[in-house]
Amino acid sequence: AQSVTQPDIHITVSEGASLELRCNYSYGATPYLFWYVQSPGQGLQLLLKYFSGDTLVQGIKGFEAEFKRSQSSFNLRKPSVHWSDAAEYFCAVGGYTGRRALTFGSGTRLQVQP
Amino acid sequence: DTAVSQTPKYLVTQMGNDKSIKCEQNLGHDTMYWYKQDSKKFLKIMFSYNNKELIINETVPNRFSPKSPDKAHLNLHINSLELGDSAVYFCASSQGTGQQPQHFGDGTRLSIL
Repeated sequence: AQSVTQPDIHITVSEGASLELRCNYSYGATPYLFWYVQSPGQGLQLLLKYFSGDTLVQGIKGFEAEFKRSQSSFNLRKPSVHWSDAAEYFCAVGGYTGRRALTFGSGTRLQVQP
Repeated sequence: DTAVSQTPKYLVTQMGNDKSIKCEQNLGHDTMYWYKQDSKKFLKIMFSYNNKELIINETVPNRFSPKSPDKAHLNLHINSLELGDSAVYFCASSQGTGQQPQHFGDGTRLSIL
């Protein structure tokens, strides 16, 4: 069965500092990996996705993520955090046809200090 | 303009009542989902429909019944509401295989008194 672990429940960074959110997955084959962001009272917005090919993927809002098969990781990074990035971030893994639902990690809450 | 829309946004009701949440997508997607987000923000799949056919039915009490009248709509009816049903329910849609990202609605916050 597929699973996702986000080891950090809560992270606080200063505005302008760099950010890395960790995500580890468990899946039998090459997974489809996603990062979503949820602002308070809102739905989930897709930041970026990985299916195959280049292991460094670029997303919206200046985010990027790197797929590392050897470490079963898909960490999200941003070089300089803005106050508006404060939100809940979810890593998710998707399966192949027939099991299309996403399996989500437990989320990481990001706080940004001025 | 809204891609995936859910109604209502908030639902406050008493234990034992029956309620429905509606979802519509205008993206032309062939697959729709219901997820439940609990108080700890954990998201879990409940149901998935592909071209109006149920393809995922997780371990959910049979008080929950999804209905898909067409590809663009997926409603969720809940009978005999219990305190533990309090959560945020998200509708989502996608096209094709599991590699296609899912688009989420803004959620329906259900509170049981």
